[in-house]
Amino acid sequence: AQRVTQPEKLLSVFKGAPVELKCNYSYSGSPELFWYVQYSRQRLQLLLRHISRESIKGFTADLNKGETSFHLKKPFAQEEDSAMYYCALSGEETSGSRLTFGEGTQLTVNP
Amino acid sequence: DGGITQSPKYLFRKEGQNVTLSCEQNLNHDAMYWYRQDPGQGLRLIYYSQIVNDFQKGDIAEGYSVSREKKESFPLTVTSAQKNPTAFYLCASSRKQGHRGYTFGSGTRLTVV
Repeated sequence: AQRVTQPEKLLSVFKGAPVELKCNYSYSGSPELFWYVQYSRQRLQLLLRHISRESIKGFTADLNKGETSFHLKKPFAQEEDSAMYYCALSGEETSGSRLTFGEGTQLTVNP
Repeated sequence: DGGITQSPKYLFRKEGQNVTLSCEQNLNHDAMYWYRQDPGQGLRLIYYSQIVNDFQKGDIAEGYSVSREKKESFPLTVTSAQKNPTAFYLCASSRKQGHRGYTFGSGTRLTVV
């Protein structure tokens, strides 16, 4: 079975402060991890994938297999980063490419 | 419109009625998915389909049914057997091979009155 846990339902920081959204997973094989973001009144969209090792909108995430974590980080938060963030996992052993999502973290960046 | 269209945006259903939510994509994606989004519970998979005329149950399939007669279309029927149907429903699609992430629709909010 695969599971994704985001321990913080709500996270509030001030503009310019560092932000870290936590994501832990359980999966016995080699997973693919993703972060999705949903801005107010917009569709859920892919933010980044661990396999591409990219930085999108200043966000990065490193897959730590030892700690089974995929935390999302940004050194200086901006007000436009306020959104709902979902961590998701795709396992090589699952049928097709279905994603398992975490519960989501609502990030608020205060001015 | 992002390549994947859900309709209607809002839907009201009376108790005991079946209702069908539409999802159409023009991305030539093989796989399509239906998720239910509830506050504090994230997205939970209802059904998914990797190919035309084939689909699999997700984690919360009870009270729902789907069909995949065309590659572009994956309608979801919420039946009267679904005990708590009021929710936000999201449709998504992706390439079948080499998972590169989903494209999501804008969602349908279903309310039982």
